[in-house]
Amino acid sequence: EDKVVQSPLSLVVHEGDTVTLNCSYEVTNFRSLLWYKQEKKAPTFLFMLTSSGIEKKSGRLSSILDKKELSSILNITATQTGDSAIYLCAVTGDMRFGAGTRLTVKP
Amino acid sequence: EPEVTQTPSHQVTQMGQEVILRCVPISNHLYFYWYRQILGQKVEFLVSFYNNEISEKSEIFDDQFSVERPDGSNFTLKIRSTKLEDSAMYFCASMLTLYNSPLHFGNGTRLTVT
Repeated sequence: EDKVVQSPLSLVVHEGDTVTLNCSYEVTNFRSLLWYKQEKKAPTFLFMLTSSGIEKKSGRLSSILDKKELSSILNITATQTGDSAIYLCAVTGDMRFGAGTRLTVKP
Repeated sequence: EPEVTQTPSHQVTQMGQEVILRCVPISNHLYFYWYRQILGQKVEFLVSFYNNEISEKSEIFDDQFSVERPDGSNFTLKIRSTKLEDSAMYFCASMLTLYNSPLHFGNGTRLTVT
């Protein structure tokens, strides 16, 4: 069975810290990996990664895919309380989500 | 920016009743999905739909569930005889292409079965 595994499941940091979230996958027909942020309601799209080694960046968030290691990381620098959310990853084709990482940023 | 819309935002129903959750995907999208999220738990895949038929369904999507695209715009999820454990947030999502475009989510319908 195809799998998407995220780690850690939960993370508590203070404002200004840098965090790294992990997503690993075992899917038979990988095409791209998606990152989402979920606050109160629906997940909102952050990044789509298709090529290994190419970093995608949006402000303080960045993400990179490693197809050899079958994984991706999401980095958030200089965290703010507004970054508190659940971060989800999914692999297209399969469209299953990992369990998510619950990030809490304390002031 | 076009968005996926879901109605109602909250539905309360009694156990054993049928419910229909409605979604209007983004108009030029071709792939449609339903997900479920029980409070405090992960986003679970229910079903994918393409070209007017189910492409894939999870083990959660049993005979009590059905999906339909009755016209060119709506995409519905029906639960025939609701159970207490069906209480969850149900998200509809759509995608333009299968592999090179992101999944766009609606705001969800919170279903409460009493």
